[in-house]
Amino acid sequence: KQEVTQIPAALSVPEGENLVLNCSFTDSAIYNLQWFRQDPGKGLTSLLLIQSSQREQTSGRLNASLDKSSGRSTLYIAASQPGDSATYLCAAYGGATNKLIFGTGTLLAVQP
Amino acid sequence: DAGVIQSPRHEVTEMGQEVTLRCKPISGHDYLFWYRQTMMRGLELLIYFNNNVPIDDSGMPEDRFSAKMPNASFSTLKIQPSEPRDSAVYFCASSFGAETQYFGPGTRLLVL
Repeated sequence: KQEVTQIPAALSVPEGENLVLNCSFTDSAIYNLQWFRQDPGKGLTSLLLIQSSQREQTSGRLNASLDKSSGRSTLYIAASQPGDSATYLCAAYGGATNKLIFGTGTLLAVQP
Repeated sequence: DAGVIQSPRHEVTEMGQEVTLRCKPISGHDYLFWYRQTMMRGLELLIYFNNNVPIDDSGMPEDRFSAKMPNASFSTLKIQPSEPRDSAVYFCASSFGAETQYFGPGTRLLVL
């Protein structure tokens, strides 16, 4: 059974700092790994999708990496801004379940 | 495209009442997903459809829950009878194949 874990559960950083969010998954037979952002009281917004054959994806200040062999993905946010404050969720798609399995998220607060 | 549309956005009902949640996926998407999000259990997949056919409903908690997709542009999730423990945010999402899932804004359900 696929299990997705995110560390840390919460993170507070000053504006301008670079930061890394971590995601680990137990079943490496995934099709892709997705990162989402959720603002309070809102739905999820897709940030990046990394196919199993890829090592990383970049979008603006965001860079996501994937290491299937170790069951890990990271989301790197450069030059953080207060507007980046949100909950970030990773989700692994595929494996034995052929479903998108979500981690519990990292609550990020960027202090101005 | 307007994105995934869900209605109602908020629902307050009394225990024992029937609740129907509605979803309109993004046009052209062939997958539709229903998720439930709670503080205790995070984001859980309830059921998903491919080309209007239910593929996996193993996440549906009980027989009180049912979902239908009569056509490519509409799906419902019904709870009958509702119970206080069903209180949660219910999200609908759609995708084309195994690509990025696009989430609706969610329905906040409170069962008293």
